[in-house]
Amino acid sequence: DAGVIQSPRHEVTEMGQEVTLRCKPISGHDYLFWYRQTMMRGLELLIYFNNNVPIDDSGMPEDRFSAKMPNASFSTLKIQPSEPRDSAVYFCASSFTGPGNQPQHFGDGTRLSIL
Amino acid sequence: LAKTTQPISMDSYEGQEVNITCSHNNIATNDYITWYQQFPSQGPRFIIQGYKTKVTNEVASLFIPADRKSSTLSLPRVSLSDTAVYYCLVGDQENYGQNFVFGPGTRLSVLP
Repeated sequence: DAGVIQSPRHEVTEMGQEVTLRCKPISGHDYLFWYRQTMMRGLELLIYFNNNVPIDDSGMPEDRFSAKMPNASFSTLKIQPSEPRDSAVYFCASSFTGPGNQPQHFGDGTRLSIL
Repeated sequence: LAKTTQPISMDSYEGQEVNITCSHNNIATNDYITWYQQFPSQGPRFIIQGYKTKVTNEVASLFIPADRKSSTLSLPRVSLSDTAVYYCLVGDQENYGQNFVFGPGTRLSVLP
């Protein structure tokens, strides 16, 4: 299994630019999660999808952030316009519905730096 | 909201057994207890999960008392490569979102 695949691994851009982060979940998984990790705030859940439908986006910091899941194998997290305080590592994770509480499988993250 | 409390940091030496305890006084009936491990520059990785009593896999053991208000992750004979941050989460797949949160975790340092 290829695991959760995120791209790019690193992104450096200037403030005001649009940033798009991409995620390919594990095949067969019906949950997809976007997290942000910083030293100050730790791991924060931004939004999650079930069967491609956004279920809870209350963690999305502001309207500059948006996420889509057009199909079961692809999701994007977009920041427009970007600001220096958006600098963080962004993780995507996926899991499937099953007996008990199925664990989340994380990608290696995208390290985002906004100058 | 089943919040968790765990020590911020722990030190150990190679070859020792390490026990990390997590408190979750408000755990709900349907909640499971899940532990993740995170190395620098990587995403968290699932270690073990349990509902009650004891669970053991090739990596760790998880001890859960009858009242389920706490749990203990046990790592046998740690090595330098076990240096990482360990997160305890409680939750139910039907209740993700803001009720399923990663706290600051426990930063384990294994010394030679």
